[in-house]
Amino acid sequence: NAGVTQTPKFQVLKTGQSMTLQCAQDMNHNSMYWYRQDPGMGLRLIYYSASEGTTDKGEVPNGYNVSRLNKREFSLRLESAAPSQTSVYFCASGVTGNNSPLHFGNGTRLTVT
Amino acid sequence: QKEVEQDPGPLSVPEGAIVSLNCTYSNSAFQYFMWYRQYSRKGPELLMYTYSSGNKEDGRFTAQVDKSSKYISLFIRDSQPSDSATYLCASSWGKFQFGAGTQVVVTP
Repeated sequence: NAGVTQTPKFQVLKTGQSMTLQCAQDMNHNSMYWYRQDPGMGLRLIYYSASEGTTDKGEVPNGYNVSRLNKREFSLRLESAAPSQTSVYFCASGVTGNNSPLHFGNGTRLTVT
Repeated sequence: QKEVEQDPGPLSVPEGAIVSLNCTYSNSAFQYFMWYRQYSRKGPELLMYTYSSGNKEDGRFTAQVDKSSKYISLFIRDSQPSDSATYLCASSWGKFQFGAGTQVVVTP
């Protein structure tokens, strides 16, 4: 049972390049989330999806787009990367509506030069 | 002001000591409280999950919630070098809020 799997683990981009971060979960969870983690700032929510077919903005959505491809997969796209998007990105999943705790992947470390 | 605050540390303790970690939160609607452990270059891993006020114990770990003072605590007894990690507190009521994490170093 893999839990939440994120790819790639590391990525270096030049300013203006685009990329998609992939996330898949095998726990049959309805909700999926994308967070970024920066030193001293903690985890900040970028986007979330409460169920297949729905997505909503979180605290810091600017510069990002998401796609809930199916119940298992939730991708995060950077259309034109900026140095301010250098961060560690975590995908998480959980059961919708009953405050069950979130389960996290091991992150994608992104550097934008 | 963040809805969940915790001291970033680092908190350094000798092996075998009790580690005491604390968070405060501002939103009285929060009903569910969690502690996550995060090793370097890994994702947060759920340690403890509690509902409302009170204590919960799991092995060497004890979580305490005091809703009257909006205070969340985690105690680690008989600390080991393998407990060296960053500990994140979190609260939720439909929406999750995370603290920035406290780095703990347990020295042999």
